[in-house]
Amino acid sequence: NAGVTQTPKFQVLKTGQSMTLQCAQDMNHEYMSWYRQDPGMGLRLIHYSVGAGITDQGEVPNGYNVSRSTTEDFPLRLLSAAPSQTSVYFCASSYQSPGQGAGYTFGSGTRLTVV
Amino acid sequence: AQSVTQPDIHITVSEGASLELRCNYSYGATPYLFWYVQSPGQGLQLLLKYFSGDTLVQGIKGFEAEFKRSQSSFNLRKPSVHWSDAAEYFCAVVTGGGNKLTFGTGTQLKVEL
Repeated sequence: NAGVTQTPKFQVLKTGQSMTLQCAQDMNHEYMSWYRQDPGMGLRLIHYSVGAGITDQGEVPNGYNVSRSTTEDFPLRLLSAAPSQTSVYFCASSYQSPGQGAGYTFGSGTRLTVV
Repeated sequence: AQSVTQPDIHITVSEGASLELRCNYSYGATPYLFWYVQSPGQGLQLLLKYFSGDTLVQGIKGFEAEFKRSQSSFNLRKPSVHWSDAAEYFCAVVTGGGNKLTFGTGTQLKVEL
């Protein structure tokens, strides 16, 4: 049982480039989310999904797009990378929404540097 | 907006000493609260959660937390810290109508041998 798999683990982008961070889970979890972690700021929610075909914005969605075509996958797209998007990105999933009592299973993160 | 505050950025304790990490919440109704731990270079792992019922909640790795409505707090405790407990600890509260989890800024725990 792999849990939540994030790829790549490390990435360096040039300003203006686009890329997709991959997130896949094999636990049949309905709820998935993306966070970014910056020093001194904790984790901030970018986007989340309560099921296939349903996504919504978190607190810092600008510059990021998501889609959820399958239960297993929840990719995060950076359309035009900016240095302010240098961060560590975490994908998390759970069988229910947080308000229903479910704790997250986190991936191991993607460290992104935009130069 | 609902939020949690972790007042201590860094805490250092000696191995074998007791530990208390502070978390204060801002929420009108009964909040749903979590504690997570992050080891270096890893994702976060759930330690425990509070939704209702007993205000003293037991978690994994010997941790517990107590919900105190009068103090708007959900502090994490451990009676005897081990060197392997050195990590960053995050408190979190459910927000956004139950669809979001908002994290505090974290407390970095250092354990002196």
